[in-house]
This record gives sequence, C-alpha cells and structure tokens, in this order.
Amino acid sequence: SQQGEEDPQALSIQEGENATMNCSYKTSINNLQWYRQNSGRGLVHLILIRSNEREKHSGRLRVTLDTSKKSSSLLITASRAADTASYFCATDATNAGGTSYGKLTFGQGTILTVHP
Amino acid sequence: EAGVAQSPRYKIIEKRQSVAFWCNPISGHATLYWYQQILGQGPKLLIQFQNNGVVDDSQLPKDRFSAERLKGVDSTLKIQPAKLEDSAVYLCASSLVSPRNIETGNTIYFGEGSWLTVV
Repeated sequence: SQQGEEDPQALSIQEGENATMNCSYKTSINNLQWYRQNSGRGLVHLILIRSNEREKHSGRLRVTLDTSKKSSSLLITASRAADTASYFCATDATNAGGTSYGKLTFGQGTILTVHP
Repeated sequence: EAGVAQSPRYKIIEKRQSVAFWCNPISGHATLYWYQQILGQGPKLLIQFQNNGVVDDSQLPKDRFSAERLKGVDSTLKIQPAKLEDSAVYLCASSLVSPRNIETGNTIYFGEGSWLTVV
C-alpha cells in the first residue's frame, strides 16, 4: 500500500504564482523525499528532509515536515512553465524501534500545471 | 557521469507472452531498485538489491515476475507470462547507499523507464 498521499491530486496555476503540495503518511519515518517527474520521463530527486528537521530550502523549493501530524509540504515559489510536472513524496519508514526499513515508498503524486 | 540506462524503452506484447527489461545502474552504486508505475499512480517498489543480494521483494508477483542482478552490476527484470494489468512503466533506479543513509546530494537516480503495453 502507498505510504504517502499527496494533496491536491492536480494543481493549475499561472506563471509567477506559488505552488503548494501536501503529503501525508501513516508511519514513523527516517526521512521524506520529494521527486519530480516530467511526462514520459524518469523521476528526479528534488530535496530530502530528515525526521529531526522541520524545514529545508533549496533554490525556489521549500519543504516543511511535521512529524506530529505525519505531513509534509512542498512549496515552489515564483513558478515557471518548466515546473509543469508530477510531484511525488516518498518516505523511508521505520519500525516501532526506529530502525529504517531502508526502502522508499511513493505516494500517488500531484500533477502541477503552470500556465505561461 | 552516465545515468541509469534502461532498455528497451518501449515494448508491446500480447498477453501470456514474456518480456525482459535490462538495467545498467550508475557505476559504483550498490543499491538497485525496480519500480512499477501504472499510469496515474506513484511508483511501487517491486524489488531492491544490495549488491547482488535481494533486500526486499515483498511486492514482486513471484509467480510471473523474476529479477536478477548478476555480479552486483546489471539487472534484468522478466515477466512471464504477461497479463493485461502488467501494462506500466518499469523504472530502474540506483543509489550509492541504502535509502536509510541517503543524504542530500547522494540520492536515488532513476532511469527513463521501460514502457510496457500488454494487449
């Protein structure tokens, strides 16, 4: 079963606007990662946030993590048409003892469309 | 640095036929993954190798799917016999270390995928 669930399923915005995507998960995690997938292509890693971190930045990307709510958000600021893609969160879950299972589980993804 | 190579990119077969996909990971990457991505869904892990040993194959339909990673480098994923519901993109990925030790800048790299249509 999918660990992460993204929200919304689809997002349509104008160039220059900010895009926010959310991810909820069910179990404890070691880290959470966000990936981008352009149509017909493989996935590209965007950013990783560890369970003891609350916020990370990378260029126009900002990721937050709230482990008490088991949720994360990805913010893309000043969006561009080239940001049009599907965005997936992926979690490296841990067992009750805090040991990582050492595998990534992906959510269903958010389809982002940025109109020029 | 060369990326993860996959072949073939596209394959159309009839149900009950067999198909094989090949993956060459990034040189030196110990961990290799095969994911299945059905249209409109996120990737689902089929099998994960650490060098030439299987770390996780809990979601691999072993009655029809098989995978091997000879010598801890290249890998082949086979489906025999194929069913209509196997139509998907098969993504190979590799990483230097296990996902639990992934750090920013040292992450998982995906190939372009092999698109399978079963008719």
